[in-house]
Amino acid sequence: GAVVSQHPSWVICKSGTSVKIECRSLDFQATTMFWYRQFPKQSLMLMATSNEGSKATYEQGVEKDKFLINHASLTLSTLTVTSAHPEDSSFYICSAMRTGLAGEQYFGPGTRLTVT
Amino acid sequence: GDSVTQMEGPVTLSEEAFLTINCTYTATGYPSLFWYVQYPGEGLQLLLKATKADDKGSNKGFEATYRKETTSFHLEKGSVQVSDSAVYFCALSDYGGSQGNLIFGKGTKLSVKP
Repeated sequence: GAVVSQHPSWVICKSGTSVKIECRSLDFQATTMFWYRQFPKQSLMLMATSNEGSKATYEQGVEKDKFLINHASLTLSTLTVTSAHPEDSSFYICSAMRTGLAGEQYFGPGTRLTVT
Repeated sequence: GDSVTQMEGPVTLSEEAFLTINCTYTATGYPSLFWYVQYPGEGLQLLLKATKADDKGSNKGFEATYRKETTSFHLEKGSVQVSDSAVYFCALSDYGGSQGNLIFGKGTKLSVKP
């Protein structure tokens, strides 16, 4: 149990377009989901914390108007990269925390975004 | 701010060799410490954790002890297998036992040869 999926697993888009990445908890409910970004040979950097039914909390330096997060249900959070540019190319990873069980985060497999 | 430093990889070992991956941390409070593992093509999985000083986390033959005096949480395994090949991440959280707001090290890639 405790599986988190991401879709798509990889995407290539043109500069200036928007891309939506989905994060789903498949067999549990997640009040809280996290979005991370990972550059090659770098740490996972927390971008934002997403709580179901409320606005996401963004980390310092992350543009909330560029990285739109929607957590509309207890099993789905989406990250939309708006007006993407080549510098947005990265590996985006989500995680989900079980509702009512403050503890373990379960991670998705990640989405590789390449902006040309 | 809080940070995690772990040894650079990649680490290449022969099967049954002893493994140590060093991890040190900087934190203002009393963090919980974690090791995550990422197998090829999969998401990060919690390998083990420790929530207070001198705690030892263990799982699948891996161990790590929370050393407050040296601010370290080194990962060890006595005899690695080919199936242990993966990327290992050390992480901390200042939210007690909860894993909110994890801060990760850069990851260490381990390759085990038969």
